[in-house]
Amino acid sequence: NAGVTQTPKFQVLKTGQSMTLQCAQDMNHNSMYWYRQDPGMGLRLIYYSASEGTTDKGEVPNGYNVSRLNKREFSLRLESAAPSQTSVYFCASTRDRAASSYNSPLHFGNGTRLTVT
Amino acid sequence: RKEVEQDPGPFNVPEGATVAFNCTYSNSASQSFFWYRQDCRKEPKLLMSVYSSGNEDGRFTAQLNRASQYISLLIRDSKLSDSATYLCVVNPTDSWGKLQFGAGTQVVVTP
Repeated sequence: NAGVTQTPKFQVLKTGQSMTLQCAQDMNHNSMYWYRQDPGMGLRLIYYSASEGTTDKGEVPNGYNVSRLNKREFSLRLESAAPSQTSVYFCASTRDRAASSYNSPLHFGNGTRLTVT
Repeated sequence: RKEVEQDPGPFNVPEGATVAFNCTYSNSASQSFFWYRQDCRKEPKLLMSVYSSGNEDGRFTAQLNRASQYISLLIRDSKLSDSATYLCVVNPTDSWGKLQFGAGTQVVVTP
């Protein structure tokens, strides 16, 4: 049981280049999320998908796009990378959409360390 | 002002000692509360949920104080393996899409 799998683990981009971060979960979870983590700051939500076929903006969506390809997969695309997007990106999933369920914690992938020069 | 605030530490704790730290949150209507643990350069993992009545899981005790808007985590009989960053997570609504993360409190347990 792999849980949440992210690829790639590391990436270096030049300003203006594009790339897609891939995420897949094998837990049959309904909701999936993309976060970024920067030093001294809490994880910040970029986009989320409450269920297959829906996506919503989070706290910091500018410069990113997402696709919920199917129930398992949720990708994050940087169309034109900028140095401000240097960060660690985490994909996560939850079984439920509603946070009132304490039995539905976030499951995170291993993260992608992205550097934009 | 950050919506979820934590003392970044580090809290340097001798092995076997007790350490406790808090997390304050700004939204009084917050619905649910959690502590996640993050090891260096790894992903966060759920340590424990925090219930209104307080709860314990082995050496870990979590408390919620709604009146003063903070949650706490106490670690008893600290082990070297407890060294990590502890993230406070608050949900101000009933939606997972609105979770608020603190920046984390670093705990270093020393021999």
